[in-house]
Amino acid sequence: GENVEQHPSTLSVQEGDSAVIKCTYSDSASNYFPWYKQELGKRPQLIIDIRSNVGEKKDQRIAVTLNKTAKHFSLHITETQPEDSAVYFCAASGGNQFYFGTGTSLTVIP
Amino acid sequence: EAQVTQNPRYLITVTGKKLTVTCSQNMNHEYMSWYRQDPGLGLRQIYYSMNVEVTDKGDVPEGYKVSRKEKRNFPLILESPSPNQTSLYFCASSFRRGEGYTFGSGTRLTVV
Repeated sequence: GENVEQHPSTLSVQEGDSAVIKCTYSDSASNYFPWYKQELGKRPQLIIDIRSNVGEKKDQRIAVTLNKTAKHFSLHITETQPEDSAVYFCAASGGNQFYFGTGTSLTVIP
Repeated sequence: EAQVTQNPRYLITVTGKKLTVTCSQNMNHEYMSWYRQDPGLGLRQIYYSMNVEVTDKGDVPEGYKVSRKEKRNFPLILESPSPNQTSLYFCASSFRRGEGYTFGSGTRLTVV
């Protein structure tokens, strides 16, 4: 099956700085790559996604890039704010199953 | 309000006592799935369902059962729970496979 690796596992940034989280996947058949944000004690929520026919997608301060050749995709958060503090999960899907990374705990320091 | 509803939110049970965690969605989603979340391991898929009466194993199906008799409901059944099934469980649904999930609020299960 698919193997999704996510780095780093923890990330601290100063408020206003940018944060980058990276994921790699193993199955070239994967074609859908969502990102989820999970605040403490809450459910994961979809924040952005990208499909394999697109290289980059932006939504306000959040962007995702995809490199199909290298099999990696990244989440970029600009102008970070304290409310961005959460655990972020990447995922990959190409068939009937979703495979999640192990998560990145992001702390934005005011 | 469009949502995925899980019950109960918290459950403490004893080894071997059968239990069911319910999951219901009101969005007419075809695809439903169960995950367990453990520290350092992320979200691992237990079972998924493509539609009514169509279910299949995920990565960690041992010790679990599911059924999909109606489109909106997808219960998770633990016939004989064991302590290694202590975890946070999430039900999730999507319009179809390959679409983003809506997650339920989670069920924190403790098996003693």
